[in-house]
Amino acid sequence: GAGVSQSPSNKVTEKGKDVELRCDPISGHTALYWYRQRLGQGLEFLIYFQGNSAPDKSGLPSDRFSAERTGESVSTLTIQRTQQEDSAVYLCASSLVREQTQYFGPGTRLLVL
Amino acid sequence: GDSVTQMEGPVTLSEEAFLTINCTYTATGYPSLFWYVQYPGEGLQLLLKATKADDKGSNKGFEATYRKETTSFHLEKGSVQVSDSAVYFCALSDELGTSGSRLTFGEGTQLTVNP
Repeated sequence: GAGVSQSPSNKVTEKGKDVELRCDPISGHTALYWYRQRLGQGLEFLIYFQGNSAPDKSGLPSDRFSAERTGESVSTLTIQRTQQEDSAVYLCASSLVREQTQYFGPGTRLLVL
Repeated sequence: GDSVTQMEGPVTLSEEAFLTINCTYTATGYPSLFWYVQYPGEGLQLLLKATKADDKGSNKGFEATYRKETTSFHLEKGSVQVSDSAVYFCALSDELGTSGSRLTFGEGTQLTVNP
């Protein structure tokens, strides 16, 4: 079946603009995760969804970052008033409930000029 | 908090050489341990995992053993190929409430295998 998909694959924006990043998880996966990968670094956890609720938002770097999920499907990560330090690859992953193996999407490469 | 420390890269080897990429971790409780691989231009893929002490994960000729006494999960392969060139990430799972499992990653090790 289809894997995790993300859109857009690349996004270039100007400092101060808002951006929305989309994630379509694997069908039937109730758990969804967002991570950020800065150049040359490992992945940082941002937020976790179980269904459409977010029990853990501890990784969101600031109040400019928010995320939502509709049902057990699509999730959107929104970054308001983007800053240059927000430039990174944003990765989405999904998993079955109580399954520790996460399946990753190809990521969205965000560049803030 | 939990953390993962990986051997610094980049690592450059000749084809058929032996590979070791070191990974150590700090965690409370008993995390599961993972190696993920990122091939050029592709997304992150699970390579192997181990869920408890002394378990050995293996896949595509790669192996790693969960060593609780040394808090390590070193990745090994006896004979690397050019196609193994990629970035390798060690990670541990951190049990969250309501069945979630956040992954904590190391910084990644770039491996280049020359013919």
